[in-house]
Amino acid sequence: DAKTTQPPSMDCAEGRAANLPCNHSTISGNEYVYWYRQIHSQGPQYIIHGLKNNETNEMASLIITEDRKSSTLILPHATLRDTAVYYCIVSARDDKIIFGKGTRLHILP
Amino acid sequence: EAQVTQNPRYLITVTGKKLTVTCSQNMNHEYMSWYRQDPGLGLRQIYYSMNVEVTDKGDVPEGYKVSRKEKRNFPLILESPSPNQTSLYFCASSPLGGVNTEAFFGQGTRLTVV
Repeated sequence: DAKTTQPPSMDCAEGRAANLPCNHSTISGNEYVYWYRQIHSQGPQYIIHGLKNNETNEMASLIITEDRKSSTLILPHATLRDTAVYYCIVSARDDKIIFGKGTRLHILP
Repeated sequence: EAQVTQNPRYLITVTGKKLTVTCSQNMNHEYMSWYRQDPGLGLRQIYYSMNVEVTDKGDVPEGYKVSRKEKRNFPLILESPSPNQTSLYFCASSPLGGVNTEAFFGQGTRLTVV
């Protein structure tokens, strides 16, 4: 079973920041938080990952709480092309990726 | 361009007719895996490989075989396909043994078994 809990769906207005929450209360010390997204029926696409510190790349920012029991993926300026299912995954190094049901993000024009 | 290539993208076949879905990556990754995706069930791992000649079962391996004779290729074999193997299949690769970094996914193979 997936070790994460995400809301099944969210809406966000185009141009606004999309904040996608993820709960992972049973995360272990050696487990990372990963985010992937899947646009329609394409292959999943890696977005970002982190262990303890907040991370930022050209696609998004990842905010991990101090106790590491939850995190938030932030898409700073959402566009229609960001409409996708977003998966939050917790996994240790060299462990397999287990996908949950994810959050279906709708970007509204 | 770094990529994972699956073939074919679409396939309709009949029950019991052996088929192979190919997967190739050009990034010299050690780790490769196969997933199937079904409505309401999400993405489930079928098999994975940590390196050449090293393969292991994922969560739903029944009815599938794999081989890893070369680092770049990881074919998925259905010896005797059945209708319950109708699904969308994805191949993935990553540079380390697991997920300590970015995993790349192919574009998918939509298989229909009639």
